[in-house]
Amino acid sequence: SAVISQKPSRDICQRGTSLTIQCQVDSQVTMMFWYRQQPGQSLTLIATANQGSEATYESGFVIDKFPISRPNLTFSTLTVSNMSPEDSSIYLCSVETGGNQPQHFGDGTRLSIL
Amino acid sequence: AQTVTQSQPEMSVQEAETVTLSCTYDTSESDYYLFWYKQPPSRQMILVIRQEAYKQQNATENRFSVNFQKAAKSFSLKISDSQLGDAAMYFCAFGWGAQKLVFGQGTRLTINP
Repeated sequence: SAVISQKPSRDICQRGTSLTIQCQVDSQVTMMFWYRQQPGQSLTLIATANQGSEATYESGFVIDKFPISRPNLTFSTLTVSNMSPEDSSIYLCSVETGGNQPQHFGDGTRLSIL
Repeated sequence: AQTVTQSQPEMSVQEAETVTLSCTYDTSESDYYLFWYKQPPSRQMILVIRQEAYKQQNATENRFSVNFQKAAKSFSLKISDSQLGDAAMYFCAFGWGAQKLVFGQGTRLTINP
């Protein structure tokens, strides 16, 4: 399966600032996704990162708050903008390599906002 | 809309014993996949097992097996010969279309030595 590297692994940020999370895969993948896991909760899909076009956002998530880039088939970034304490979560990227293979996840980024 | 329900917030089992985690789902899709993921304290999501809805045979992976009841929309996970390393949060997930995943709320599994 693909090896997925997420950076940073954790960060503590001030409210009102923005943080960009990187997701790097060791092979080309068809689909990349970003999830949020709030404290003690399950995972919720934020968006699908599309290579060469705008990301597809799920209900309740908007591009202004969570801009996403995917410049190629191995890399994506998620920015959490104008952060507030409610954004304190684990953010995870996942990839699907195609052929109906299951999604595999990065190690996640634990984000705390003071 | 797809929904996934895990009715057991916490479960515990003695080491070497067998435990079953429950999951039910609701969907109008006919072609879909079901998954169990494990999340240890390290927070990495690890795929445990996958079931294709069109397959009647239950999936197995070593000590892990599922009981897939399509008509009842039930997808339980059985862990045999439980080991200390099995302690984690277990999430049931439903996947369809462009492989979007919807997750249940999770079951925290504790293994007692």
